[in-house]
Amino acid sequence: EVVLTQSPGTLSLSPGERATLSCRASQSVSSSYLAWYQQKPGQAPRLLIYGPSSRATGIPDRFSGSGSGTDFTLSISRLEPEDFAVYYCQQYDSSPYTFGQGTKLEIK
Amino acid sequence: EVQLVESGGGLVKPGGSLRLSCAASGFSFSRAWMSWVRQAPGKGPEWVGRIKSSADGGTTDYAAPVKGRFTISRDDSRNTVYLQMDSLETEDTAIFYCFTTVLVGTHRRPSWGQGTLVTVSS
Repeated sequence: EVVLTQSPGTLSLSPGERATLSCRASQSVSSSYLAWYQQKPGQAPRLLIYGPSSRATGIPDRFSGSGSGTDFTLSISRLEPEDFAVYYCQQYDSSPYTFGQGTKLEIK
Repeated sequence: EVQLVESGGGLVKPGGSLRLSCAASGFSFSRAWMSWVRQAPGKGPEWVGRIKSSADGGTTDYAAPVKGRFTISRDDSRNTVYLQMDSLETEDTAIFYCFTTVLVGTHRRPSWGQGTLVTVSS
């Protein structure tokens, strides 16, 4: 099983700052099968990035993804108030598909 | 446009059974590998299991917590995938989502349904 470890657990930043979220896999994951999601309270996870650098439909270009092998990164260039939420990475390269434990991005 | 619509959620007593359905459209369902993902209250998403396409053998895989209790099946004539849940436990309380991926260029793009709530409680 591929274990995804996200860091940090909580990230405290101010609007306008840059956020960098990490997702590390216990074994190599094909970059075509890595996704990032944003989740706000009471809502379903929203796809942000897949592949791991392709933005989903309607996602602003301040969101970007990068990485390969075992290390992947989600960056948000200039935080907007609506970006404060929980972020998850997911691999769907091998069964069981797995998720990271999440990074909570909170307003400082 | 990919659409996944789940149904069948509800309240069930511990030890009971429930069958969820996911109606799919907007892609070649018969070729798709379909999964179920769940999210318990206050927890992160958890993959439940997968069924491959019939062309790839139609085999299933399950997460350890549900293996032997949950069964995934598909009806390609109805573009529908099912999740049969037996011997339900209170820990199975969650929103259940249908999940698949579609090929976009050289990458596979995930798609989720809106979810259906399953509550296991006496």
